[in-house]
Amino acid sequence: AQSVTQLDSHVSVSEGTPVLLRCNYSSSYSPSLFWYVQHPNKGLQLLLKYTSAATLVKGINGFEAEFKKSETSFHLTKPSAHMSDAAEYFCVVSERSGGYNKLIFGAGTRLAVHP
Amino acid sequence: DTGVSQNPRHKITKRGQNVTFRCDPISEHNRLYWYRQTLGQGPEFLTYFQNEAQLEKSRLLSDRFSAERPKGSFSTLEIQRTEQGDSAMYLCASSLETSLNTNSPLHFGNGTRLTVT
Repeated sequence: AQSVTQLDSHVSVSEGTPVLLRCNYSSSYSPSLFWYVQHPNKGLQLLLKYTSAATLVKGINGFEAEFKKSETSFHLTKPSAHMSDAAEYFCVVSERSGGYNKLIFGAGTRLAVHP
Repeated sequence: DTGVSQNPRHKITKRGQNVTFRCDPISEHNRLYWYRQTLGQGPEFLTYFQNEAQLEKSRLLSDRFSAERPKGSFSTLEIQRTEQGDSAMYLCASSLETSLNTNSPLHFGNGTRLTVT
């Protein structure tokens, strides 16, 4: 079975500083990996996805993630945090099961951005 | 694209009552998913539909839960005899799966927050 582990439940950064949200995955084969963001009282929004193409994936709002097979990691980064980035972030692995892709979510990392 | 719509946004009910939630997916999407998210956790898969057929149900979906998608468009999720442990955010998502694209991203609604008192 596939799984993801988000290494930090809370991350706090100052506006304008870099963001690093860490994620490790467990998969028996080449996985599809995603990052979703959830703002308060809002639905989940796809930030980016990795599907065995380029290992460095660029997403929306300046976020990117790098797939590192040797480290089984898929960390999310952004060079400069903005106040509007404060939200809950979920690392997700897709498990192919019975003809559909079941998303398996990590527990989430809450990002706080301070002025 | 009006996105995935869920109603109601919030539902407060007393233990033992039945509740029903509705999800309207993106119109051309053939797959519809239900997830449950409890406080401090990531969403967990409950069930999914390919058009009107319910093809997979999680073991999290007890006999008190039933989901339907009668015409392959909107879906309902009913919980009978609610328990306090059912309190959670219920998320609906949809996607368009084709033979050429079997890994389409899911588009999520804003969810229905259920509180059982």
